[in-house]
Amino acid sequence: RKEVEQDPGPFNVPEGATVAFNCTYSNSASQSFFWYRQDCRKEPKLLMSVYSSGNEDGRFTAQLNRASQYISLLIRDSKLSDSATYLCVVRDTGRRALTFGSGTRLQVQP
Amino acid sequence: DAGITQSPRYKITETGRQVTLMCHQTWSHSYMFWYRQDLGHGLRLIYYSAAADITDKGEVPDGYVVSRSKTENFPLTLESATRSQTSVYFCASSPGTSVQTQYFGPGTRLLVL
Repeated sequence: RKEVEQDPGPFNVPEGATVAFNCTYSNSASQSFFWYRQDCRKEPKLLMSVYSSGNEDGRFTAQLNRASQYISLLIRDSKLSDSATYLCVVRDTGRRALTFGSGTRLQVQP
Repeated sequence: DAGITQSPRYKITETGRQVTLMCHQTWSHSYMFWYRQDLGHGLRLIYYSAAADITDKGEVPDGYVVSRSKTENFPLTLESATRSQTSVYFCASSPGTSVQTQYFGPGTRLLVL
């Protein structure tokens, strides 16, 4: 079983739509959680951290459910520029490195 | 320019050859990482380094060697390239106090024939 699992998609949505991605992680000792964004043939970049109480950054909302070991990302009012692969990332207690999910691809259509 | 760079950006080599991928950062970040990215696997950690002369294995270290004689450089060597090492390689760095904010280089696309 993979440490971090994501639905690979693709999610094809029209502009203006709301879309949600989910991610599950296997290690209950995981300490920190993030969403990274990766554009086609580019490097990953940090989108946002995920906090237990949930957090929002503009059109993006991230949620964490430690009991279910589940992370989500909600994107409201999708833009064409949101088209990318979204990587769910966790860091385990005592480890310095990050563990990446395989990513969920989003395609926003005009 | 400040940032993290990788070279070469593209490389074609043959099985059995030694290949070195370079990574250079100008932020004086203490941590540096090497990942490979393959379809269906996401990014997998090969090696990482907490400081000059300190390196440690990641998830998939076999067939790779790293060194870190200077803080700013973290080369990755494939001692005897195999077809299974065809991949996109990303180098990343982060300051010691904020390891989650990893900054990635542009990647090196390696094809082993």
